[in-house]
Amino acid sequence: SQTIHQWPATLVQPVGSPLSLECTVEGTSNPNLYWYRQAAGRGLQLLFYSVGIGQISSEVPQNLSASRPQDRQFILSSKKLLLSDSGFYLCAWSVRGEGGYTFGSGTRLTVV
Amino acid sequence: GESVGLHLPTLSVQEGDNSIINCAYSNSASDYFIWYKQESGKGPQFIIDIRSNMDKRQGQRVTVLLNKTVKHLSLQIAATQPGDSAVYFCAEIEPGRRALTFGSGTRLQVQP
Repeated sequence: SQTIHQWPATLVQPVGSPLSLECTVEGTSNPNLYWYRQAAGRGLQLLFYSVGIGQISSEVPQNLSASRPQDRQFILSSKKLLLSDSGFYLCAWSVRGEGGYTFGSGTRLTVV
Repeated sequence: GESVGLHLPTLSVQEGDNSIINCAYSNSASDYFIWYKQESGKGPQFIIDIRSNMDKRQGQRVTVLLNKTVKHLSLQIAATQPGDSAVYFCAEIEPGRRALTFGSGTRLQVQP
């Protein structure tokens, strides 16, 4: 069966520090991968999506970047975190050509 | 850009009653819709989906209704239980776009 792993679950980082969040998917090949951010009490904002290795589409200009070095690995990064980067980050995958997503358990990032 | 929105930010119901959560979407090109349930601190979970060539779809205790004329989507939960308490999001996808657009969410509170 397909599973999605996201880590860490929580993270507290100082302003100006780098960030690396990792997401891996098991049990499927060639998935579409997504990074979403959710502010407290709000909806989900799409940050990046990827349809293949090395292919990244950015939805919103910001202080973050994404990479897909392997088929089932998706990484969210920042060189210097801002306070406004705090939030709940969710990774998701979908079967190519279908709309339903499966989400990971999320990473709660607090920038202090 | 066009977006998906919700009528009610919070819905409170008695245990055993039926719940109806509404969603208005503005992109008439969207052809696939999903309802997600998100419990506190967790990633969203798929509940039910519907394609634009349908107006009703039923699952276990849940029904999704789609009215394309007025661009309205609803989620009906029968015999609401305390475990149904969560935030519910509708999401849409348009042809050619590879990512879901989420609404802002409705919090469902089930009173015992």
